[in-house]
Amino acid sequence: ETGVTQTPRHLVMGMTNKKSLKCEQHLGHNAMYWYKQSAKKPLELMFVYNFKEQTENNSVPSRFSPECPNSSHLFLHLHTLQPEDSALYLCASSQAPRGQDGYTFGSGTRLTVV
Amino acid sequence: AQKVTQAQTEISVVEKEDVTLDCVYETRDTTYYLFWYKQPPSGELVFLIRRNSFDEQNEISGRYSWNFQKSTSSFNFTITASQVVDSAVYFCALSEGPTSGTYKYIFGTGTRLKVLA
Repeated sequence: ETGVTQTPRHLVMGMTNKKSLKCEQHLGHNAMYWYKQSAKKPLELMFVYNFKEQTENNSVPSRFSPECPNSSHLFLHLHTLQPEDSALYLCASSQAPRGQDGYTFGSGTRLTVV
Repeated sequence: AQKVTQAQTEISVVEKEDVTLDCVYETRDTTYYLFWYKQPPSGELVFLIRRNSFDEQNEISGRYSWNFQKSTSSFNFTITASQVVDSAVYFCALSEGPTSGTYKYIFGTGTRLKVLA
């Protein structure tokens, strides 16, 4: 199993649905991140967690709700999304608090909002 | 303000050609880190290299080499004798030091490399 595992790999949801993305790492890293990757846009940092505590929320709409129950798991709860939220959502982890040692990324969840 | 520019949106080369991917950065910090990541079609970004601002030595790893020049604020990546498996999107990134109390991690927009057989 690779270092950072994301499930599901693909998700199609209606605008009124509620779903969750899951990220898991067993690398012993202390920091975990959610990134959004849209076509033709730079990677957008959404949330940062250090030692289970949220240390950064990059002005993300409240329809995205992160949860970090422990240092190994990170969730992104989704509700009442918009079509423009369709993107690849990447989870990453790092040992250093802001990724100065480099990130380990998961394979991402390809989200389509219909 | 911090910024990472990858001016080459897409590059196509024929297998066995050498190719250089450009990365230019802007930062006010004296302590920072530069990175390259590879994103193959499978989706995950794969860490390739990290360089700190005090180490300007060039690095070579197999067919990959990196040229860090502070004078031109560039951190270019060269693949020698390219192979089809090198086809991917390559991202350059900058992580600044904590002069403001928090770190900033900025990705470039990526360069799509297509290596044709």
